[in-house]
Amino acid sequence: GAGVSQSPSNKVTEKGKDVELRCDPISGHTALYWYRQSLGQGLEFLIYFQGNSAPDKSGLPSDRFSAERTGGSVSTLTIQRTQQEDSAVYLCASSFPGGMNTEAFFGQGTRLTVV
Amino acid sequence: AQSVTQPDIHITVSEGASLELRCNYSYGATPYLFWYVQSPGQGLQLLLKYFSGDTLVQGIKGFEAEFKRSQSSFNLRKPSVHWSDAAEYFCAVLRNSGNTPLVFGKGTRLSVIA
Repeated sequence: GAGVSQSPSNKVTEKGKDVELRCDPISGHTALYWYRQSLGQGLEFLIYFQGNSAPDKSGLPSDRFSAERTGGSVSTLTIQRTQQEDSAVYLCASSFPGGMNTEAFFGQGTRLTVV
Repeated sequence: AQSVTQPDIHITVSEGASLELRCNYSYGATPYLFWYVQSPGQGLQLLLKYFSGDTLVQGIKGFEAEFKRSQSSFNLRKPSVHWSDAAEYFCAVLRNSGNTPLVFGKGTRLSVIA
């Protein structure tokens, strides 16, 4: 597509439920990043994919968070047993790997509210 | 570990005044450097980037930034601020080798008053 697409744009869930957030990157972008932006905070790195593999999972805050990417394209971020502190905007970005093409393009984000 | 520091959490300027937002990075070599803007309810938009060459880079919306290796800084500037520039500004760095993610500063919120 023309840009990075994230769905849903808004999600309200009850504490303890599982949620899945979807990211559809720009066609041809092999690198994909997930970030979390909490109210008044900066962008917290969660996980990075190069193709279907995740060389850097260091930012995942707990084992309740997981992510996968299939076909080198769409990625899903799953949060199990959601907690109120998981409420945030989850941003996805994609880019070409390395060199001069490392500009990342961001989606509009998914605003997650855990009640 | 590489890090990005934006010392100013919130800055208020008058419309028409000049602006400088500070950014310092911590990394042994020169990384790729970026400034992004996030307007209320909007996604992140790239303002400008520095990879190599001329240390003064021009971006969109009249913004520019200067890379100073000796100070490990990449400050964002604009000669005359418009009310529509009110937004959150993020500095980010990327190591120029290997597969690494963008590392962002915590952002500077810009308010513009009449």
